[in-house]
Order: sequence, then structure tokens, then C-alpha cells
Amino acid sequence: GESVGLHLPTLSVQEGDNSIINCAYSNSASDYFIWYKQESGKGPQFIIDIRSNMDKRQGQRVTVLLNKTVKHLSLQIAATQPGDSAVYFCAETLSGGSNYKLTFGKGTLLTVNP
Amino acid sequence: SAVISQKPSRDICQRGTSLTIQCQVDSQVTMMFWYRQQPGQSLTLIATANQGSEATYESGFVIDKFPISRPNLTFSTLTVSNMSPEDSSIYLCSVRQGLREQYFGPGTRLTVT
Repeated sequence: GESVGLHLPTLSVQEGDNSIINCAYSNSASDYFIWYKQESGKGPQFIIDIRSNMDKRQGQRVTVLLNKTVKHLSLQIAATQPGDSAVYFCAETLSGGSNYKLTFGKGTLLTVNP
Repeated sequence: SAVISQKPSRDICQRGTSLTIQCQVDSQVTMMFWYRQQPGQSLTLIATANQGSEATYESGFVIDKFPISRPNLTFSTLTVSNMSPEDSSIYLCSVRQGLREQYFGPGTRLTVT
């Protein structure tokens, strides 16, 4: 099957290391952000979200950081595992908008080496 | 989260033909979305499909090329009409649940020859 990561920025890490995936978003008015994980041959899977009134949110092994000043979002994955290998997308939106449209970033291909 | 299924999962079609993709959700949802993901690219919104109203298309996408149906709160179809090789993509159905969360189906992988 095709790979959605062939033309994307890549990050290669060793199993057990921490990973940091970065995203620059475009709309300073966006107030809600989501990180998705897309494994080969599958649809995007919701990982974690954050509202613009926060600058950090933690989940299980993942942390999202939001810097509104420079319109930057990052996803930190602790103790990266081979199962974390996938393409990661950030998405932004205006939650008060009538259609609640998500705008996706370009994506980053994470490869975890055993 | 909602469980979303799509049919077909993949297809190979000849140029000039049309393909209808089905999206089924296991719960009632108001807002459904159709996205396109070209090879090696990110996701682009095609249209928003709310039950009981006409679909709202994004810039660059038109109803004649991508007609959408939304007959009830658990089902939608997207048709890719008069296909060309440039339409080869993954087509993804998505639903909104709760205040903000949005979930995706597995996608339909279309190859046009």
C-alpha cells in the first residue's frame, strides 16, 4: 500500500528516547488544537488536544505545548516505542466557528528504531 | 469515540467513471466532514455535510465533481465524478463529537488509471 509519509519531514529516534514533534500553525485566531497520529493504511487517530487558554497539557506518555506568541505547537512523546512510528499531524480550528473546520499541518513522519 | 466505517476500503477505477464512497457511524452525529489526502500530503477538507441541509464545499471543490448525500444522522456518501488520475487519493470521512473532538474513519484509497 502507499505511504503517506514519503514527502513529509522526518524524525528518527531510538526506542526509549523522548521524541519532540513541532508544528507551526497559521491562524493567530485559532483557539483549539489537536494532534493526530496516522499509521500506514489507517485514518488519523486522535491523540491529544489543547485549548488556547492553556500552554501545556499532559496525557499518557504525551505532552502538548502551545506557544501562542510564536504560533507554535509541539508534541512530546516520552519513552518512544516502535508502535509510535507513524505520521503525526497537528490541526487548528476556531471552536466558535459555525462549521468547526480543522486546518491540518503538513505532518511529520516519526520512525522509531529498535 | 464514535466508530466510523467506510466502504470501499480501496478501489482502482478507470478515468471517466464515478465512485461513491459510503461512511457509516455507530452513533448519531450532526456534523460530518469529507477530506482528501493526496499521496504524501496532509488532509484537505472537501466539504461539510450536515443532515437536513446542503453540503458546504471548500474553495477548489464543487458539487458537480464531489456530490454528497447526508440522508440521516449516521450515514453519508461522497461521489467522485468523472475521475481522472489526479483524483487518486485517500478519501476520509470524519465526524464531530462533543464540543470539539473530531474523529476519522479508516479512509478509502482510490487509484484512477
